[in-house]
Amino acid sequence: NAGVIQTPRHKVTGKGQEATLWCEPISGHSAVFWYRQTIVQGLEFLTYFRNQAPIDDSGMPKERFSAQMPNQSHSTLKIQSTQPQDSAVYLCASSLVGTLNSDYTFGSGTRLLVI
Amino acid sequence: GDSVTQTEGQVTVSESKSLIINCTYSATSIAYPNLFWYVRYPGEGLQLLLKVITAGQKGSSRGFEATYNKETTSFHLQKASVQESDSAVYYCAFSSSGSWQLIFGSGTQLTVMP
Repeated sequence: NAGVIQTPRHKVTGKGQEATLWCEPISGHSAVFWYRQTIVQGLEFLTYFRNQAPIDDSGMPKERFSAQMPNQSHSTLKIQSTQPQDSAVYLCASSLVGTLNSDYTFGSGTRLLVI
Repeated sequence: GDSVTQTEGQVTVSESKSLIINCTYSATSIAYPNLFWYVRYPGEGLQLLLKVITAGQKGSSRGFEATYNKETTSFHLQKASVQESDSAVYYCAFSSSGSWQLIFGSGTQLTVMP
């Protein structure tokens, strides 16, 4: 079991460029979550998929951010026209079912730096 | 709004000494949230340390314990004798039953001195 795989581990983009972050959940896990971690805001929920369908994106910034899960094996988080304030560690997690009585398994994260 | 407070950003303890990391939560619309401690060891991803979903119960793992106290809305993490390998960042978190959102505290960096 390789765990939740996130790529790339580190990404540096110039202001205004697009960034795409990838997440491969654990095989068989039907729920996928994205979180963002910054020094100022800490760990914040972004969005949640269950069986590939978007269930809750209440934590996603209204502009420039989008997430997709085109198949069971991966999810992407895309940030258009990146800004320095988007710099953060983006964490993906998966679980067997979509409730928190099940354990999340987190990936190691993608550290995004926008310069 | 809902929040988790970890008052200590950094804690340094000598090996074999006892540890307590404080955690209190404020859940405005949740009567009995589920409570969690997550840990991030150096170079690794965030992982679940322990969880308690019933008020009054205690969770334990790897020598750590935490008791869900609904009266004080606290979920302090304790260990009787820490080891150098316990050095990590510890996060307290909660969710409402059946909810998928975790509300995290700011984390506590634990350093255990040999």
